Amino acid sequence: EAGVTQSPTHLIKTRGQQATLRCSPISGHTSVYWYQQALGLGLQFLLWYDEGEERNRGNFPPRFSGRQFPNYSSELNVNALELEDSALYLCASSLAMGRGRNEQFFGPGTRLTVL
Amino acid sequence: QQQVKQSPQSLIVQKGGISIINCAYENTAFDYFPWYQQFPGKGPALLIAIRPDVSEKKEGRFTISFNKSAKQFSLHIMDSQPGDSATYFCAAKRSWAGNEKLTFGTGTRLTIIP
Repeated sequence: EAGVTQSPTHLIKTRGQQATLRCSPISGHTSVYWYQQALGLGLQFLLWYDEGEERNRGNFPPRFSGRQFPNYSSELNVNALELEDSALYLCASSLAMGRGRNEQFFGPGTRLTVL
Repeated sequence: QQQVKQSPQSLIVQKGGISIINCAYENTAFDYFPWYQQFPGKGPALLIAIRPDVSEKKEGRFTISFNKSAKQFSLHIMDSQPGDSATYFCAAKRSWAGNEKLTFGTGTRLTIIP
């Protein structure tokens, strides 16, 4: 069974540009989560999507946004990039909310570098 | 507000020894406590998880001990091996529908020396 996949692996942008990161969940999983892992700061919750709807949002500015498609894949968009947005962006997936233990399984991440 | 505090930040253990990583949480509504293992360049991998209705859970060489009254939980790695060298994160969440986010500790970099 394929795990969570993310693309691209690496992304280099300059300040002010926009970045788009993509995630495909494990087959059968309908919930997708985005986390930011900045150096020395651990993992910070960004967004949670379930059945195409945004269910919860972390303490991040509105220029961080995303969406979930009918096939449950997801996209994270970061507008007006700032230097401090440089981080590893991790996507996780789980079964639908309310179903079982909702264990979250992570992808390998997208390394975003803002110059 | 950091709701999950993890210690130590780094840990060096000799091969065959016991590695112990501790976490403390503040929110008594948390009822699911997973541990993740992360190797460089990889995403975190779920290692073991516990719910507060049990005080201990063991899977192979990995054991979670849970103390509900102290709001603390710890990961014990028995017979630590060089392949266990990685960063370990504890996490917590409330499992009621509508709030599925994981709150992570800051991580412990574990190094197992021969």
